[in-house]
Amino acid sequence: AQKITQTQPGMFVQEKEAVTLDCTYDTSDPSYGLFWYKQPSSGEMIFLIYQGSYDQQNATEGRYSLNFQKARKSANLVISASQLGDSAMYFCAMREIRWQGAQKLVFGQGTRLTINP
Amino acid sequence: NAGVMQNPRHLVRRRGQEARLRCSPMKGHSHVYWYRQLPEEGLKFMVYLQKENIIDESGMPKERFSAEFPKEGPSILRIQQVVRGDSAAYFCASSRTKQGANYGYTFGSGTRLTVV
Repeated sequence: AQKITQTQPGMFVQEKEAVTLDCTYDTSDPSYGLFWYKQPSSGEMIFLIYQGSYDQQNATEGRYSLNFQKARKSANLVISASQLGDSAMYFCAMREIRWQGAQKLVFGQGTRLTINP
Repeated sequence: NAGVMQNPRHLVRRRGQEARLRCSPMKGHSHVYWYRQLPEEGLKFMVYLQKENIIDESGMPKERFSAEFPKEGPSILRIQQVVRGDSAAYFCASSRTKQGANYGYTFGSGTRLTVV
């Protein structure tokens, strides 16, 4: 079974600093996808970024980038120039292939990021 | 182009009552997924449905929980005889195909169930 591990329960960062949120994964599938979601205090799940296992380059979306190290099975999220609005829970997730091609997402426990002014 | 709509946003039930959670997928999406989030935890997969079919219910508790996605109308997650341990946020996601997409499906805003 696939597994996602986020080892940082909470992080505190000064505004405008860069922050790295750790995520390691375990899978025996050669093809997989990795996602990061943001969950603010309002509760909705906001998609941030996606990395495919065969993608040659690290994914980037605005201030978000994914530091993908396949051999180490890590997919860390990097947020550049943090803002107060970045304070939220962040979840790393992996797409697990099921039978008949159906898929589901396996989530980590999350990291609560707090940006200090 | 409305996103995934879930209602109600908040639901309070007494122990032993039934809870019915509704999810309307995005327009053109025929695949629906339900996830549950306990406090301070990540989301956990419950069930995957297509129109009129349950494809994967490996994450559903064996008793009291059921899900449907009829030909017409929203998908329904039904919890009978609720207990305090059912208190959680329940999220619905939808996709156009069973492979989903590289954006990992679109999630609704969730239903927060509180059992008192």
